[in-house]
Amino acid sequence: QILLVQSGAEVKKPGASVKVSCKASGYIFTDYTIHWVRQAPGQGLEWMGMIQGDTGDTQYSQRFQGRVTITRDKIATTAYLEVSSLKSEDTGVYYCARRFGPPHYFAFDVWGLGTTVVVS
Amino acid sequence: QSVLTQPPSASGTPGQRVTISCSGGNSNIGRNQVTWYQQVSGGAPKVVMFGEDQRPSGVPDRFVGSRSGTSASLAISGLHSEDEGDYFCAVWDNSLNEGVFGGGTKLTVL
Repeated sequence: QILLVQSGAEVKKPGASVKVSCKASGYIFTDYTIHWVRQAPGQGLEWMGMIQGDTGDTQYSQRFQGRVTITRDKIATTAYLEVSSLKSEDTGVYYCARRFGPPHYFAFDVWGLGTTVVVS
Repeated sequence: QSVLTQPPSASGTPGQRVTISCSGGNSNIGRNQVTWYQQVSGGAPKVVMFGEDQRPSGVPDRFVGSRSGTSASLAISGLHSEDEGDYFCAVWDNSLNEGVFGGGTKLTVL
């Protein structure tokens, strides 16, 4: 069974940082990219960035560039999302998701359950 | 403001057909294939259409995707109550060099 298991909810003060983990299992971690998507309360989905499972190469949304760092541990088959200088507007649910299909398919077939981050 | 434009809401009665539109531009829908996600009751999104007209296994053939120029649409025929939820279109944008989502359409089955 292919799973992405995310770390638990976090409550942070403004200005702090948060690091969310996403543990992959049931597939070859290095064959896929992991993406991070944010959803603010009552709002839509925002793409934050991605990491290649094999090379560790990253790409970030311009909106989050400089404040977000995505890393991975190949041995632990885990991806991480760190957001720094948190603001109240960063409150929301953070999802990791596995991309599938040819290059430039912006399609995610497996999603984590989401990690709620509250900045207050 | 989203790069992709969707109507905020859509509705229909059981058995009816509804269509959800997604309008973009030459650098996104005009170049790359659209994916549609369904999100129910705040849970994780689930892909219901990819490659514009490909359905994952388990998604009924009542769901049909299409694209024309810089717009895409998702049609759902024979509406069921379990089709209720939020639907998002998504695509890679070559100019922004990032993924973009539509603002979402809330589908209500009356």
